[in-house]
Amino acid sequence: DAMVIQNPRYQVTQFGKPVTLSCSQTLNHNVMYWYQQKSSQAPKLLFHYYDKDFNNEADTPDNFQSRRPNTSFCFLDIRSPGLGDAAMYLCATSRGRGGDQPQHFGDGTRLSIL
Amino acid sequence: GQQVMQIPQYQHVQEGEDFTTYCNSSTTLSNIQWYKQRPGGHPVFLIQLVKSGEVKKQKRLTFQFGEAKKNSSLHITATQTTDVGTYFCAGKESGNTGKLIFGQGTTLQVKP
Repeated sequence: DAMVIQNPRYQVTQFGKPVTLSCSQTLNHNVMYWYQQKSSQAPKLLFHYYDKDFNNEADTPDNFQSRRPNTSFCFLDIRSPGLGDAAMYLCATSRGRGGDQPQHFGDGTRLSIL
Repeated sequence: GQQVMQIPQYQHVQEGEDFTTYCNSSTTLSNIQWYKQRPGGHPVFLIQLVKSGEVKKQKRLTFQFGEAKKNSSLHITATQTTDVGTYFCAGKESGNTGKLIFGQGTTLQVKP
């Protein structure tokens, strides 16, 4: 089945130690998104790619970076994780951008910071 | 900036009771989407509303988009335990490249 796959499901890292989360999709969608979701809150958009065009949200900390080497894969790099970065990180895809298309979410990676 | 407010934040109902969550935007929306997130799961797309005054039904779920395209509601008739989860509305900002703005979500608990 076509889907959005995130690895790993759970990630533990140390304070300040860089960590990379990965996302792959078999939907062949143009747009890939990274969201941060904290407990009992709405998903917060960090950035998105429309094909290779990178779009950063204004309030996304510089500590968060992303790479999209090809259509299928997208990575979230957290350069120096702080305790406040502990959250669920959701990857999503859509066929087009602009909020006109449904977004398909992966199962998420729950990040813990020691 | 544009905000999408959703109420209530939490709702506990007895199985068989109805449930409604409301979504309000500070500005006119191009469209609105609804997602359901089960406990421990990820948001799953339910439906999209585009037209002013639009009403769509999915079995026991009824979705409405307001005439002014600034509010929306999701109504569940005769809730079941399988309805448990958090329901998010997400409105599209105006403009061709407008992104989705998520509401805070309404978490539904259903007592059997």
